[in-house]
Amino acid sequence: GESVGLHLPTLSVQEGDNSIINCAYSNSASDYFIWYKQESGKGPQFIIDIRSNMDKRQGQRVTVLLNKTVKHLSLQIAATQPGDSAVYFCAEKNGTDKLIFGTGTRLQVFP
Amino acid sequence: GAVVSQHPSRVICKSGTSVKIECRSLDFQATTMFWYRQFPKQSLMLMATSNEGSKATYEQGVEKDKFLINHASLTLSTLTVTSAHPEDSSFYICSARDRSVGTVGMNEKLFFGSGTQLSVL
Repeated sequence: GESVGLHLPTLSVQEGDNSIINCAYSNSASDYFIWYKQESGKGPQFIIDIRSNMDKRQGQRVTVLLNKTVKHLSLQIAATQPGDSAVYFCAEKNGTDKLIFGTGTRLQVFP
Repeated sequence: GAVVSQHPSRVICKSGTSVKIECRSLDFQATTMFWYRQFPKQSLMLMATSNEGSKATYEQGVEKDKFLINHASLTLSTLTVTSAHPEDSSFYICSARDRSVGTVGMNEKLFFGSGTQLSVL
C-alpha cells in the first residue's frame, strides 16, 4: 500500500508485482521530464525521460506516462525486483538549464 | 556512459572551517554543472548553476559568499562551503550535462556525481 512518511511517501510492493509511482509537477510550461532512482548515500541515476509532445515512453521494464492536462507523471515498473528498492524522483525542465526535482517516493520491495 | 566523479564522498569537519568539494566529468566536457543539496528524506534542491569561465548563478536564498563555486575548466567544478556550521550538514550532489550529446531529440540527460555527505560538528 501507499503511505505518507515524515517527508517521503512510501510505496510497498511484493516482488514480481508491478509498481506505479506518481508525480505531480508544478509548471505547465515544463517540456521535458525525467525519472531518477536514488539509492541510499548515492547520487540520482537516470531511468527514463519523456518530452511534452509524448504521452508514453517505454524502456526496459519501465514505462513513463505523461498527462499534461492534469500535470501528472507516472513511472511504471514491471515485475518489481528487490534491486528496485530505492527513492524515485521525477524532475521537470521548462526550457531553461535547470532541472527541478519533485518530492520523491520511497519504493520498498518485499520478497 | 558518461561518468561524473565527486570527491570526497564523506567529510567531517569542525564548525568554522571550510570544506571544498570537487566535481569532475571524466570522459566528457561539461560547460555547465549544477550543485544540489539534499537533506535527509527530502528532495534535491538546486543551489547554483556553474558555468565554465564565468560566475555561478545562485538560486534564491543561497548565499554566494558562503557557497563558493569555481568552474575553471571544462571538466572540473568545485564547491567550497566556507565557515561551515552544523546547519550546513547535508548531502551535496553535483551534476553535469554532456554537451556533445546535443539537445536535439530526447537526450538532455544530466549525469550525477555520487554525492558528498558533509557533517559539521
